[in-house]
Amino acid sequence: QVQLQQWGAGLLKPSETLSLTCAVSGGSFSDYYWSWIRQPPGKGLEWIGEVHPSGSPTYSPSLSSRVTISVDSSKNQFSLELRSVTAADTAVYFCARVPNWDLSLAFWGQGTLVTVSS
Amino acid sequence: DIQMTQSPSSLSASVGDRVTITCRASQTISTYLNWYQQKSGQAPKLLISGAFNLQSGVPSRFSGGGSGPDFTLTISSLQPEDFAVYYCQQSYNTPRTFGQGTKVEIK
Repeated sequence: QVQLQQWGAGLLKPSETLSLTCAVSGGSFSDYYWSWIRQPPGKGLEWIGEVHPSGSPTYSPSLSSRVTISVDSSKNQFSLELRSVTAADTAVYFCARVPNWDLSLAFWGQGTLVTVSS
Repeated sequence: DIQMTQSPSSLSASVGDRVTITCRASQTISTYLNWYQQKSGQAPKLLISGAFNLQSGVPSRFSGGGSGPDFTLTISSLQPEDFAVYYCQQSYNTPRTFGQGTKVEIK
């Protein structure tokens, strides 16, 4: 059974860079897309972007100037970097596996709460 | 961006009730419509993909229907474990947008 284990710093100051990593085990890495999604406290879900190990990432236009999603296929990991964070970036961040036949978010990581506060 | 509009935003129902949630897409998405269930403090769980395809392990009381632009998630007989927030999402185009969510509460 596929498992997604994510980690990263949970408390940042404004203007710092958010950095999260998601490790994949129990399934193929190269056959799927991989995605990041976030959820501000008490609010809905926001798609951040996705990447296929053999392709270029695609980002939400609202975040594209500050975000990078990268892949390390040798470790079956993918990462999220979000630069110049503000309080508005406070959220639970999730990683997820995306099958290429329907592009749904089929399996999710456990989520990481990232708080931005001075 | 494709806008996904869910209705209602919340509903109150009793165990055993039939519940239907609607999701409307602002433009064509074929059947690239997915439904998720999120319980408090947990990651969302995929229930239905491709508008109609029930995921393995999901109870058969959940079903997806409709055709663009309106899609539905139906719970045929609401169970205590079904009280949660439900989200639709289109995966037809990027950015892959979500509906605002429907909170299903106990009456």
